[in-house]
Amino acid sequence: GESVGLHLPTLSVQEGDNSIINCAYSNSASDYFIWYKQESGKGPQFIIDIRSNMDKRQGQRVTVLLNKTVKHLSLQIAATQPGDSAVYFCAENRSFQKLVFGTGTRLLVSP
Amino acid sequence: DVKVTQSSRYLVKRTGEKVFLECVQDMDHENMFWYRQDPGLGLRLIYFSYDVKMKEKGDIPEGYSVSREKKERFSLILESASTNQTSMYLCASEDYRGPDTQYFGPGTRLTVL
Repeated sequence: GESVGLHLPTLSVQEGDNSIINCAYSNSASDYFIWYKQESGKGPQFIIDIRSNMDKRQGQRVTVLLNKTVKHLSLQIAATQPGDSAVYFCAENRSFQKLVFGTGTRLLVSP
Repeated sequence: DVKVTQSSRYLVKRTGEKVFLECVQDMDHENMFWYRQDPGLGLRLIYFSYDVKMKEKGDIPEGYSVSREKKERFSLILESASTNQTSMYLCASEDYRGPDTQYFGPGTRLTVL
């Protein structure tokens, strides 16, 4: 079957380092991808998105890279801060109005 | 900013009880969704609605029903709660015009005893 969001379960970084969170997808027909951040006890919060006609998109301290050749998506967080500690999910839009989510990567930022 | 609210943050119910989870969004979005989130399984779609009185089954609709009488409100109903429905329930809304971004509420952690 198809899968989305093969993550490492936990990523530990030091404050100030750059973080890279990865996500693999298997449906080459997916044309839209989103990264969400979920802090403990809260709902997922939209961070950044990218369409399949792009390979890079930048936001504030975050960059999403899309490699369609190997079906790989990554989220880069620059100068990681303690407030970035959360679970990060990728999601792909496989079909009309439906997203499929990965299981998430927990980012731990130590001072 | 989009605001999605859910009626309860924590809920404890007994097996067999009827449970209502309410979700309200204030951005006039047509599309609304209910998910459950369980450790190691990610978010799984229960039901979604793309208009008032319209509903579509998601991936795991068994044991659940929904109601959308008003555009801003989407309710999830557990007709007879069971212990395997203990979970975090998340509601989301989306503008049908795109770009397919869903905005989530804070979640309701339901425990069924």
